Amino acid sequence: DVKVTQSSRYLVKRTGEKVFLECVQDMDHENMFWYRQDPGLGLRLIYFSYDVKMKEKGDIPEGYSVSREKKERFSLILESASTNQTSMYLCASSFEGQGNRGSRSYTFGSGTRLTVV
Amino acid sequence: DAKTTQPTSMDCAEGRAANLPCNHSTISGNEYVYWYRQIHSQGPQYIIHGLKNNETNEMASLIITEDRKSSTLILPHATLRDTAVYYCIVRAYSSASKIIFGSGTRLSIRP
Repeated sequence: DVKVTQSSRYLVKRTGEKVFLECVQDMDHENMFWYRQDPGLGLRLIYFSYDVKMKEKGDIPEGYSVSREKKERFSLILESASTNQTSMYLCASSFEGQGNRGSRSYTFGSGTRLTVV
Repeated sequence: DAKTTQPTSMDCAEGRAANLPCNHSTISGNEYVYWYRQIHSQGPQYIIHGLKNNETNEMASLIITEDRKSSTLILPHATLRDTAVYYCIVRAYSSASKIIFGSGTRLSIRP
């Protein structure tokens, strides 16, 4: 079964810590995405990547950075965690190459619930 | 990508068909309609997508009106496990752009 795997289900970090959220996909997808989800605000896109070493800002990139050194791995970095970054973080991937391989739908991970105290 | 409008919430009796509507009156010719759902505490899950013809898979059916300005997702025999938030999204198939999630419809299945 194809998967997007997020390294942690629950995470508690202190204010000011540098936090790494890891995401790995085994579908050879070109595109990868990081969203956060908050009550009343829905899913909001933080960053996305079309290819290795490429990244694009989403709607709310402030306070975050990303790294994509390998095609299968997309890391979200909180340089200095703050309490307003307490949220559910969701990683997704999709195929966007040539041809008609699949529906180009997104496959999501199970999410990482991050609490910053 | 075009915006969509969905009811905030709906309910349906277990075993009956759940029909979830979506309006996308500004959809353009190269945009597909996608449906996802999110069960509590899980990531969103792809359900189905279509361009202009009706589509059916093992999870659901998608009915798109002839003018493509609205669509309906049909869960033919709803179960308690179908309780979730359902998102209707339109985006160009060939676009590498991101998905924008709206508020979705919270579907409750009653026993």
